[in-house]
Amino acid sequence: QVQLVQSGSELTEPGASLKISCKASGYTFTNHGVSWVRKAPGQGLEWMGWINTSTGKATYAQGFTGRSAFSLDTSVSTAYLQISGLKAEDTAVYYCARVRYNSGWYFDYWGQGTLVTVSS
Amino acid sequence: QSVLTQPPSVSAAPGQKVTISCSGSSSNIGNNYVSWYQQLPGTAPKLLIYDDNKRPSGIPDRFSASKSGTSATLGITGLQTGDEADYYCGTWDSSLSGYVFGAGTSVSVL
Repeated sequence: QVQLVQSGSELTEPGASLKISCKASGYTFTNHGVSWVRKAPGQGLEWMGWINTSTGKATYAQGFTGRSAFSLDTSVSTAYLQISGLKAEDTAVYYCARVRYNSGWYFDYWGQGTLVTVSS
Repeated sequence: QSVLTQPPSVSAAPGQKVTISCSGSSSNIGNNYVSWYQQLPGTAPKLLIYDDNKRPSGIPDRFSASKSGTSATLGITGLQTGDEADYYCGTWDSSLSGYVFGAGTSVSVL
């Protein structure tokens, strides 16, 4: 069965960097893109962008350019989200999700989420 | 502030029906397929509806959706306490060249 398993919670200080992993299983990793979605406390879902797992091309949503970076290791079917220069407002749960875009765009499988807490 | 507008909350008694609206524009809902997600408290979002009105395998037919022009609607019939969750609409926005979510609607079962 399709699964996306993310790395564990992170507690980090302002200004630091971190890298979250999203390991896929149950399907051919390079056949579907991976999106990243942020859920800040009290806020709704925000699409951060996506990475084409076949070409490695990353596309970032407005507001997530500059400090966010998506990457892949296709040898272990894993996508990564790196955030640098962390700020308190980056405190959120970050989800990876498998992208489907045969017709419309949608996300059919989601990781369990990674809680990132930025605090001094 | 999202480009897709949803009501903050809706509620109904067990067994009743609720509808959740999602209003957009020609750059998003009007020309792209809509999907809907359910997020139960403390869990990851789950796909409920894709391509405007299709249900993935395993999603009960109590959940249905439709679209007309630049608005979409999710309906939940036979409301259960287990349906208490946040519901999000989403679609591609051609002007933004990105995917957008509505702000979410909290469903309460009275």
